[in-house]
Amino acid sequence: DSGVTQTPKHLITATGQRVTLRCSPRSGDLSVYWYQQSLDQGLQFLIQYYNGEERAKGNILERFSAQQFPDLHSELNLSSLELGDSALYFCASSVDTEQFFGPGTRLTVL
Amino acid sequence: EDQVTQSPEALRLQEGESSSLNCSYTVSGLRGLFWYRQDPGKGPEFLFTLYSAGEEKEKERLKATLTKKESFLHITAPKPEDSATYLCAVQARSGGSNYKLTFGKGTLLTVNP
Repeated sequence: DSGVTQTPKHLITATGQRVTLRCSPRSGDLSVYWYQQSLDQGLQFLIQYYNGEERAKGNILERFSAQQFPDLHSELNLSSLELGDSALYFCASSVDTEQFFGPGTRLTVL
Repeated sequence: EDQVTQSPEALRLQEGESSSLNCSYTVSGLRGLFWYRQDPGKGPEFLFTLYSAGEEKEKERLKATLTKKESFLHITAPKPEDSATYLCAVQARSGGSNYKLTFGKGTLLTVNP
């Protein structure tokens, strides 16, 4: 158990809908990262937050957004969902360079 | 752009048969190279961090080594419970406060009893 929690574990929704994924980092970790894992692309970095502020963006679509709250939990919002957004979404947290991953949310878009 | 290539894509071993997984990388100044283990449907589990060429780290049957262009994950006398996908990732020093990881596609290891 890494200490990073993610909810929900599974999410099934329809095209065009909007969903919110939630992540709680390990106690004391100020940085939160979001990654997407699909079969063909592997693990891809989406976005990084540090103590409530956005630090870096990767291959994140404009339909996706994230935020980190004062209690350091983070949410990833995915809107206007498409079939191709079906994937595993992971959150990771760190205090330094080493990142510890949560169990993931499996998103299925039908 | 940072790149990580892992080989082989899949490896099947008999229990006790030692082998190595390869991770070759291109990065604009290496801050760290990371190895993770991932079981199906689960999150990546942190194994090792290597920071400079010549560094080695060990944990049970696993040993990770680093050169300026590649890293190896050596598995000695593997057991069926070592079966998993092993992921390699790099973190670039040039990223500043961006600590993103760039991952390879992984090596799927299967150890048969």
